[in-house]
Amino acid sequence: DAGVIQSPRHEVTEMGQEVTLRCKPISGHNSLFWYRQTMMRGLELLIYFNNNVPIDDSGMPEDRFSAKMPNASFSTLKIQPSEPRDSAVYFCASSLLETQYFGPGTRLLVL
Amino acid sequence: SQQGEEDPQALSIQEGENATMNCSYKTSINNLQWYRQNSGRGLVHLILIRSNEREKHSGRLRVTLDTSKKSSSLLITASRAADTASYFCATGDFSGGYNKLIFGAGTRLAVHP
Repeated sequence: DAGVIQSPRHEVTEMGQEVTLRCKPISGHNSLFWYRQTMMRGLELLIYFNNNVPIDDSGMPEDRFSAKMPNASFSTLKIQPSEPRDSAVYFCASSLLETQYFGPGTRLLVL
Repeated sequence: SQQGEEDPQALSIQEGENATMNCSYKTSINNLQWYRQNSGRGLVHLILIRSNEREKHSGRLRVTLDTSKKSSSLLITASRAADTASYFCATGDFSGGYNKLIFGAGTRLAVHP
């Protein structure tokens, strides 16, 4: 079992650039979550998909953030334009029941 | 906003000792979960306890839940250096129609050989 796969693992970009983070959930899981982790705010839920449909996007910070899930095996989180305050570790997690399985995360640094 | 608050924020012990971490929360829950995060890694699920359960065991882990006090504890017995990590409690409820997890700030555990 490959687990949740995220790419890239590290991303360094300049302010104003577009950033796309990718996630492949565990096969058979019907729920997918995007989280952001920072020292100041801890782990925050950004968006939740169920059966590829966005159900709860109340945690998405602002219009610069968007997420898609075109099929059951792929999701993207896009930031456009990126800002230094977006620097964080972004996690994708998937689940079938209550337990969530996290990917290794993408460490994003916006200069 | 964080629902669960872990205590202590940091804990340093010797190998072989027991480690106890506490979590308090504010609102009603359906379940409470504990996760571990090694430095630079994703979170790994350890154990889930439902609101109608009081205690659960998994290997060297023991979790208790007191819904009247809105608190939970995680006990790691006979700790090992490999247990060094951050531990997070996460409360789950279905108020939004799904099991939304709200994570606490975590306890950083250091186990010294």
